[in-house]
Amino acid sequence: DAGITQSPRHKVTETGTPVTLRCHQTENHRYMYWYRQDPGHGLRLIHYSYGVKDTDKGEVSDGYSVSRSKTEDFLLTLESATSSQTSVYFCAISERSGRGEQYFGPGTRLTVT
Amino acid sequence: GQSLEQPSEVTAVEGAIVQINCTYQTSGFYGLSWYQQHDGGAPTFLSYNALDGLEETGRFSSFLSRSDSYGYLLLQELQMKDSASYFCAVPNYGQNFVFGPGTRLSVLP
Repeated sequence: DAGITQSPRHKVTETGTPVTLRCHQTENHRYMYWYRQDPGHGLRLIHYSYGVKDTDKGEVSDGYSVSRSKTEDFLLTLESATSSQTSVYFCAISERSGRGEQYFGPGTRLTVT
Repeated sequence: GQSLEQPSEVTAVEGAIVQINCTYQTSGFYGLSWYQQHDGGAPTFLSYNALDGLEETGRFSSFLSRSDSYGYLLLQELQMKDSASYFCAVPNYGQNFVFGPGTRLSVLP
């Protein structure tokens, strides 16, 4: 299995609070992605990174920001959490952009009350 | 933009063969990927087709027709553990990936 970890694995937070999710990889892959998964919507891309300090928006980026200061770490921040951001968040990595395979982390279940 | 269509649900019995279809519309096509996801788990990579034709990996095979913008995942000798959701995915302008809505496969005894 690819070496990808996510922390925390579960989190409950209140509306309006900031939240940061961490993705850590040991594969030295260039590309990293954050997705959210909700019933009926499949996997939707939030942000992705194509190198250290190089990031771009995905399909559902509003309300989220990311940072990548090291190859191995990709952080997702909810500046002010809302109930609509209750979801399961997956990080993924790939060696090549848009081709081949992605490897996913175990996911973070976030509940915003 | 990019869009993919998959059947929402498929049901089959143990030992049978099932085919899960995926049609796509995308720019700058590079290939079609398939992922499996069990309830409560993370998606796991199954296969990637860059060229037309059938790719076989054990009980699973994946097919691609670039001219028809169509592919399928074929699961043979179905087992109970194959009950899961299956997603197809295509590149999004070669920069990231777009996933289909997923097909939930139920394998009955």
